[in-house]
Amino acid sequence: QVTLRESGPAVVKPTQTLTLTCTFSGFSLSVTGMCVTWIRQPPGKALEWLARIDWDDDKYYSTSLRTRLTISKDTSKNQVVLTVTNMDPVDTATYYCARLQYGGNSGWFDPWGQGTLVTVSS
Amino acid sequence: DIQMTQSPSSLSASVGDIVTITCRASQGISNSLAWYQQKPGKAPKVLLFGASRLQSGVPSRFSGSGSGTDYTLTISSLQPEDFASYYCQQYYSPLPTFGQGTKVEIK
Repeated sequence: QVTLRESGPAVVKPTQTLTLTCTFSGFSLSVTGMCVTWIRQPPGKALEWLARIDWDDDKYYSTSLRTRLTISKDTSKNQVVLTVTNMDPVDTATYYCARLQYGGNSGWFDPWGQGTLVTVSS
Repeated sequence: DIQMTQSPSSLSASVGDIVTITCRASQGISNSLAWYQQKPGKAPKVLLFGASRLQSGVPSRFSGSGSGTDYTLTISSLQPEDFASYYCQQYYSPLPTFGQGTKVEIK
């Protein structure tokens, strides 16, 4: 059974850097074809894809946020880490990690973690 | 980036109704489309991928169709547990994008 769980701070101050960890089980990111992705959702708003990391360490970032995002993996710990620099109140959202199911250039997301709400406030 | 325009943004329907939600891509996406259901406070769950392929365990009242830039999610007979938000997502591009969502409410 594949499961993912997000962890990180519930509150960050404006201008701070957010670090989120996705800890997963049931698959290995060292296996060809495996990918993990981050998605966020501001309260009451739509889903927004953020970043992806592949088994071969290829990385992809949202066009609008690429200068602020860094994704990395620790295969031995079954973890993927996302950092977001220069946090702003508009970055308040529930952040999800999910496994990407390959469908060509990218894929769909299944399963998802439960999500972690991050609030940006001074 | 490929833009996904989803409509309507919300709808009211009754149990037993047929519900249709559409998604239009800003360019052709060759059926590289997934649909998700999200209930309040929960993570989204995939319903269909490849525009029309039903995810294991998803009831057959959910179906998808379309081609090129235009795609449709149909719920053939709305059930009480189907009141939720629905999102389309394209994965034709290495940078996937979501529609703005459709909230299905009880009439």
